[in-house]
Formats: sequence, structure tokens, C-alpha cells
Amino acid sequence: AQTVTQSQPEMSVQEAETVTLSCTYDTSESDYYLFWYKQPPSRQMILVIRQEAYKQQNATENRFSVNFQKAAKSFSLKISDSQLGDAAMYFCAGLYGNKLVFGAGTILRVKS
Amino acid sequence: DTGVSQDPRHKITKRGQNVTFRCDPISEHNRLYWYRQTLGQGPEFLTYFQNEAQLEKSRLLSDRFSAERPKGSFSTLEIQRTEQGDSAMYLCASSYVTGVTDTQYFGPGTRLTVL
Repeated sequence: AQTVTQSQPEMSVQEAETVTLSCTYDTSESDYYLFWYKQPPSRQMILVIRQEAYKQQNATENRFSVNFQKAAKSFSLKISDSQLGDAAMYFCAGLYGNKLVFGAGTILRVKS
Repeated sequence: DTGVSQDPRHKITKRGQNVTFRCDPISEHNRLYWYRQTLGQGPEFLTYFQNEAQLEKSRLLSDRFSAERPKGSFSTLEIQRTEQGDSAMYLCASSYVTGVTDTQYFGPGTRLTVL
């Protein structure tokens, strides 16, 4: 069975600082994709970043980057220069076969 | 290019009633997915379509649930004889699959409350 685990229910960060959200996963598949999605309060899910499992290079999108450790099955998200607009629920997800399997999410609070 | 749209955004119904939700995917996306999200949890997969064919259904999808995508464009999700446990956010996502890549883009969801 494919699983995704986010062990941090809630995180806080000071504006302009850096925060890392953790995610671990388990799968027996050799080919898969991993994603981070952001869901602001009462707003729709937005794709933040995507990582192909066959790529060793960590994905980066502006202030967002991942630390993908395939052997450890770890996929953390680093947000640099945090902004108030980054406050949201963040979901880690794995694409296994044809469906996304999500973690329980991490609430990120940004303090001004 | 417009994103995924869903209608209605909110639905309140009484237990035992039938409800139907609509999803319009991003134009030319060949895959359409339905997920269910309960409060404080991540979305759970329900079913997906490739064009008009429904290719996979989750065990979560009881016989009271049915989904269609008649012409490979919009999709409907119907819940018959609703129960209080059906209260959730129903999310639709679409993607354009080429080879093995499949990045799903989500709509705003339909929040269902069953009284």
C-alpha cells in the first residue's frame, strides 16, 4: 500500500525566515511523482512543486525547494523568505499509478 | 486559460435526498478525477476518467455514488440517498497526460452538508 505521512500538524515561521515541512512516503513502485500542494483557508488547492522520482536533482520553484531523499523515502519542502501569503495548509502527495495519495497536511502560520 | 470549475460551491441537503455536482475541467485535459476531503484531512481518491471512460473507482465509492463524463468534457458526481457521513468537500481535478507525467490541477470544490 502507498502511504504519505506528514508528522507536523502545525508549524510557525516568522516573516522573511525559512521553514521546512517534512514528509515521508512509502511505495513499492519504482516510478512515481511527488507533489506539494498548498490550500489557503477556504480557497482551492494550488500546486506548489513537483518532483520526478527518477530525477536526482531537487526541484526548485522560486522560494520553494524540496529535499528529496529517495533511499530514505523523504520529501521535505523548504520555503525561503516566508511571506504572509504563504500561510495555508500544505499537503504532500504521491502519484502512484493514476491517483494522488495525500498526507494529512501541515498548517503553516506566518507571523509578522 | 480558465481553471477547473465546480458547481455548486455549497450544497445543503437533508438526509435521504439525492444531490448532483458538476465539474468542468481545464480545456483539452483528458483526465478528470474526483476526490473527497473531510475537515482537517487530505483529499481521498474516489474515481477518475480518461476521456469518457471511467477507469478506476475507489472502495470508498459506495453504490450510492455514481459519476459520469458523457462526452469526455464535463463530469457529474451524483450521490443518492445522502447520509450525514457524506458531508465533506468534493474536489475535482483534471490533467493532460502525456507518457508518464500527470500533474493534476484542482477546482475550488463543492462543500456538501447533509442535515
